[in-house]
Amino acid sequence: DAKTTQPNSMESNEEEPVHLPCNHSTISGTDYIHWYRQLPSQGPEYVIHGLTSNVNNRMASLAIAEDRKSSTLILHRATLRDAAVYYCIPYSGGGADGLTFGKGTHLIIQP
Amino acid sequence: ETGVTQTPRHLVMGMTNKKSLKCEQHLGHNAMYWYKQSAKKPLELMFVYNFKEQTENNSVPSRFSPECPNSSHLFLHLHTLQPEDSALYLCASSTRLAGLNTGELFFGEGSRLTVL
Repeated sequence: DAKTTQPNSMESNEEEPVHLPCNHSTISGTDYIHWYRQLPSQGPEYVIHGLTSNVNNRMASLAIAEDRKSSTLILHRATLRDAAVYYCIPYSGGGADGLTFGKGTHLIIQP
Repeated sequence: ETGVTQTPRHLVMGMTNKKSLKCEQHLGHNAMYWYKQSAKKPLELMFVYNFKEQTENNSVPSRFSPECPNSSHLFLHLHTLQPEDSALYLCASSTRLAGLNTGELFFGEGSRLTVL
């Protein structure tokens, strides 16, 4: 599995954009970059994933560096409900194993 | 509501008890997973089932025994547990297409287990 590095925690203000970085310098060419988040007292939920191009969905945007060694999850306008632990996970989908979660980034949103 | 239901949500058991955790998904997925989340630690993958066949056992002690009778149901049978097994146990499901996992896992809310 590719190793990832994420800040332990980040803080932002409500209604401001949030950029959550992830380094994955050992990512393989077939790994997609998945992002999940885990709200307090809940199971993780899928946020977004991409391979090379930037991706947008209703929850967030994913910006992937040209060399694919890093990516940034963008929450365009953070709300208090976005306070969660965010995980960046490179994953190819092959093999029999599931996703490997790291420690993630604990995002704190100030009102 | 993610479509993955886990019961019970909370369980307290003694070290000599036998209990089971249940997971059910109505999403038409063909892969199911058990994860363990201990306090202050990352999620740990325990077991993976693809099309009812166990394809991953991540060095889990034998006091945890999974069962997958069909693609919609997954059980985790517990016996002779230790206090350090107290954790949140999460079930997830996903779709495998042409041998590849889509990578989009749907998680239940978890079963909070306390072993006394």
